[in-house]
Amino acid sequence: SQQGEEDPQALSIQEGENATMNCSYKTSINNLQWYRQNSGRGLVHLILIRSNEREKHSGRLRVTLDTSKKSSSLLITASRAADTASYFCAPNTGNQFYFGTGTSLTVIP
Amino acid sequence: NAGVTQTPKFQVLKTGQSMTLQCAQDMNHNSMYWYRQDPGMGLRLIYYSASEGTTDKGEVPNGYNVSRLNKREFSLRLESAAPSQTSVYFCASSGGGSQLTQYFGPGTRLLVL
Repeated sequence: SQQGEEDPQALSIQEGENATMNCSYKTSINNLQWYRQNSGRGLVHLILIRSNEREKHSGRLRVTLDTSKKSSSLLITASRAADTASYFCAPNTGNQFYFGTGTSLTVIP
Repeated sequence: NAGVTQTPKFQVLKTGQSMTLQCAQDMNHNSMYWYRQDPGMGLRLIYYSASEGTTDKGEVPNGYNVSRLNKREFSLRLESAAPSQTSVYFCASSGGGSQLTQYFGPGTRLLVL
């Protein structure tokens, strides 16, 4: 399977702390995307990093990509209660996206 | 601009019944997708349509059919529902080509008894 695998499965932190989630995948990719899903909702795109990029920032989000290790990480800095959600990585090859099972993040106020 | 809409929001079926899940997007996107989401399994791609007039199987196509009715609409049909198809179904669209971000609908919760 080309599915991304997120680690840890669940993460609980205090508001203001940083949250780091990791993603591993098995095949060569064109790019890798991260999405967020609030309970009972559809997924929302957060950030895309291309295979020739190593790091990307967007607001409080920082994504890294190591294609030699086939892994990516998502860092959320200064977390807020509103960041409570599930986070999914999606390695992309061509037209298909391979979502993992997600990391469930709980930010405690 | 509604984005991606899905109907119905919730449906209960008996085993063997058929139904069609509807999806529409108003972003002039070329590509559309159907996923199912099950606990502990993540999202799995059922079918996708890279452009109007084309459809391709994804990871879990068995028991489903799709129709790309026009550029806006992409429907998913269950001909004979089974309890194993109890899931949450998400439709998504993207511009295709270099426009890689997927936009998701709110989902359809399907229960097959």
